[in-house]
Amino acid sequence: RKEVEQDPGPFNVPEGATVAFNCTYSNSASQSFFWYRQDCRKEPKLLMSVYSSGNEDGRFTAQLNRASQYISLLIRDSKLSDSATYLCVVSNTGNQFYFGTGTSLTVIP
Amino acid sequence: DTGVSQDPRHKITKRGQNVTFRCDPISEHNRLYWYRQTLGQGPEFLTYFQNEAQLEKSRLLSDRFSAERPKGSFSTLEIQRTEQGDSAMYLCASSLAFRTSHEQYFGPGTRLTVT
Repeated sequence: RKEVEQDPGPFNVPEGATVAFNCTYSNSASQSFFWYRQDCRKEPKLLMSVYSSGNEDGRFTAQLNRASQYISLLIRDSKLSDSATYLCVVSNTGNQFYFGTGTSLTVIP
Repeated sequence: DTGVSQDPRHKITKRGQNVTFRCDPISEHNRLYWYRQTLGQGPEFLTYFQNEAQLEKSRLLSDRFSAERPKGSFSTLEIQRTEQGDSAMYLCASSLAFRTSHEQYFGPGTRLTVT
């Protein structure tokens, strides 16, 4: 079983829509959780860390459900510039990080 | 530029040749990671250093791969006797181990093509 599983999409949404991505992880001892964004042929860039209490950064909201072992990312009021691949990342001790395959988002005008 | 840098950005080599990549992390970061990414996949962990000590290596890392971080600053990743399956983007990331935060910052990557 993969450490981290994501729906690869693609998700095609109109501008202004709300879109949500989920990611499940297999190791219940995982301690650190992140969402990264990756543009085509570029390196991943940290979007946000995910905290147990949930956290929000502008139009982006991340949540963690330890009981069900999943994390989510909600994007409100989608912009064209949000088009990218969103990678879910999980770590247990900070020594190894496990990336999902990524979820592709295209925001359509 | 105070971000993570990698050199070269692109490398084309013939099967059987050795290649070496360099990564310069963010200067105050004590942790450095190497990943490999192929098309349609997320980055795959290869190895990790804390300062100059190599603390973790993926089981997927064959004996042809070796990494060093001799002074706890820059790191090199060498692939010996390259194979076509080694073609991928090799990404380096660094982080500062601080409490429970392990946020990583990636370099632009080295794209390797083995012909």
